Amino acid sequence: ELKVEQNPLFLSMQEGKNYTIYCNYSTTSDRLYWYRQDPGKSLESLFVLLSNGAVKQEGRLMASLDTKARLSTLHITAAVHDLSATYFCAASPLGETSGSRLTFGEGTQLTVNP
Amino acid sequence: NAGVMQNPRHLVRRRGQEARLRCSPMKGHSHVYWYRQLPEEGLKFMVYLQKENIIDESGMPKERFSAEFPKEGPSILRIQQVVRGDSAAYFCASSPVGGGTEAFFGQGTRLTVV
Repeated sequence: ELKVEQNPLFLSMQEGKNYTIYCNYSTTSDRLYWYRQDPGKSLESLFVLLSNGAVKQEGRLMASLDTKARLSTLHITAAVHDLSATYFCAASPLGETSGSRLTFGEGTQLTVNP
Repeated sequence: NAGVMQNPRHLVRRRGQEARLRCSPMKGHSHVYWYRQLPEEGLKFMVYLQKENIIDESGMPKERFSAEFPKEGPSILRIQQVVRGDSAAYFCASSPVGGGTEAFFGQGTRLTVV
């Protein structure tokens, strides 16, 4: 059974600082997703990572994937208050009956302080 | 092309009543996934359906919960005899094929049981 773990679960950081959120998954997965969720809202897709060594960047966020280590990271550069949200990673388990079903991590609640 | 549509957005039910949550997938999508998000937690997979078929219901509680995706019309998640512990956000996602593609999420239905 695929399990996904994120850390830290809570992250409070100052504006302008850098930090990394880690996502470990337990078994082989064919793709890794990062989502953002604001309070009371749905999920906003940030990145889809498909292969080992994949790196994607959008603004102050950069995501990477190491399939051998079963690890993905979400790096935040020079944080700003607007990045405050909960960030989830999710992995897609392999298997004929899995479809595009996702297993989510617990989420990292990020607060960026002025 | 409208996104995944869920209704109602908010639903209040008294204990013992039935709750019906609807999900219309994106145009051209024939695969639907339901997830539940309890307060302050990540999303948990409930059920994966294709039209007229349940593919994987391993995340569904054994009692009171059922799901369908008829040939015509939206997918329905039905909760009978609701209890306070059913209070959560229920998200639906859809994908065009069974695997290897990204699933897109709806806005969610927030169920409150009073």
